[in-house]
Amino acid sequence: NAGVMQNPRHLVRRRGQEARLRCSPMKGHSHVYWYRQLPEEGLKFMVYLQKENIIDESGMPKERFSAEFPKEGPSILRIQQVVRGDSAAYFCASSPSEGDGYTFGSGTRLTVV
Amino acid sequence: RKEVEQDPGPFNVPEGATVAFNCTYSNSASQSFFWYRQDCRKEPKLLMSVYSSGNEDGRFTAQLNRASQYISLLIRDSKLSDSATYLCVVNTSGGYQKVTFGIGTKLQVIP
Repeated sequence: NAGVMQNPRHLVRRRGQEARLRCSPMKGHSHVYWYRQLPEEGLKFMVYLQKENIIDESGMPKERFSAEFPKEGPSILRIQQVVRGDSAAYFCASSPSEGDGYTFGSGTRLTVV
Repeated sequence: RKEVEQDPGPFNVPEGATVAFNCTYSNSASQSFFWYRQDCRKEPKLLMSVYSSGNEDGRFTAQLNRASQYISLLIRDSKLSDSATYLCVVNTSGGYQKVTFGIGTKLQVIP
């Protein structure tokens, strides 16, 4: 059981470029959650998805950020036209059903230069 | 008022000490409670669920007080390896069972 797989582990982008973060949930988990963590700050909820559906995107910035969880393949968090303030650790978690304890991936550390 | 509140610390305790963290939650309809541990620059990992009757796992004891709306984590005989940030997590109701994380309490166990 491979756990929650996130890639890349580290991503460096120049301002204005696009960042694509991928997350494959644990086998048998159909609920995916994305969180952002800034240095010395707590985890901030971004979006909750099930296969082909966005359930709650209340934590997503209104512009430049989007997320999907297609029928086939990993969940993708996409950040367009990145700015320095987007630099953070982005964690994906999955659960077998709503409200269960989460299993986290090891995160993607995005650095915008 | 935040949905889940924790004292960010840091709590600096000597090795072998007993330390306790509290966490308060605002939604009285919350149903499930968890403690996670996060090491520096790592992902959070589930430490233990918190049950109404209280539960123990080795040196760790978790308790829930629904009347006062708080949960606690007690660590006995602290080890250096216990140094981490401890995240309080509450399953709140609001259309779906949303899991909300506290900011975390940082523990540093000193030799």
